Amino acid sequence: GQQVMQIPQYQHVQEGEDFTTYCNSSTTLSNIQWYKQRPGGHPVFLIQLVKSGEVKKQKRLTFQFGEAKKNSSLHITATQTTDVGTYFCADRGGSNYKLTFGKGTLLTVNP
Amino acid sequence: GAGVSQTPSNKVTEKGKYVELRCDPISGHTALYWYRQSLGQGPEFLIYFQGTGAADDSGLPNDRFFAVRPEGSVSTLKIQRTERGDSAVYLCASSLSPGSGNTIYFGEGSWLTVV
Repeated sequence: GQQVMQIPQYQHVQEGEDFTTYCNSSTTLSNIQWYKQRPGGHPVFLIQLVKSGEVKKQKRLTFQFGEAKKNSSLHITATQTTDVGTYFCADRGGSNYKLTFGKGTLLTVNP
Repeated sequence: GAGVSQTPSNKVTEKGKYVELRCDPISGHTALYWYRQSLGQGPEFLIYFQGTGAADDSGLPNDRFFAVRPEGSVSTLKIQRTERGDSAVYLCASSLSPGSGNTIYFGEGSWLTVV
């Protein structure tokens, strides 16, 4: 079945540093969604990318979809302690309803 | 309610027992999903309902798992003869419809521990 790989598995930064997580697939991604899960919480939808080369921004967060639609990234500028959590990418696939999640990147921020 | 509601929030059960997990989706959402999340992993798809029918149950691990949504709203995930490997967070989610333009909202999850 389809696999979505995410790196790194963990990232620890000092508050104010930047952070990037990468999502890759050997097959073409249909559309990529990004979720944030706080410790002990549930996944919360952040954004969806559909078009090849698409770039979207939400305040300090920048999301990119690769030109070949085989990779995506989430970049956080000047991290804050409120950014702590696990960031997941998920491919919606051709089914239009089934999400295939990566394993996530756990971000911790040292104040 | 304002969000997807799941009960119980925590359940500890003995190996071999039967368990039911309940999900109350956001009002008006026709699409309902169950996912399972093990420690350190991303959520894994179990089953998808459109209305009352299970449109895709391909993610259910075996025939000990079953889910229903009899009136097209509340759903129950049923696990028979529980095993220790069933321990995980069971996440329910809903969306207005299954289309890619509709955001999927997750509940807080039911943490199942089989001892």
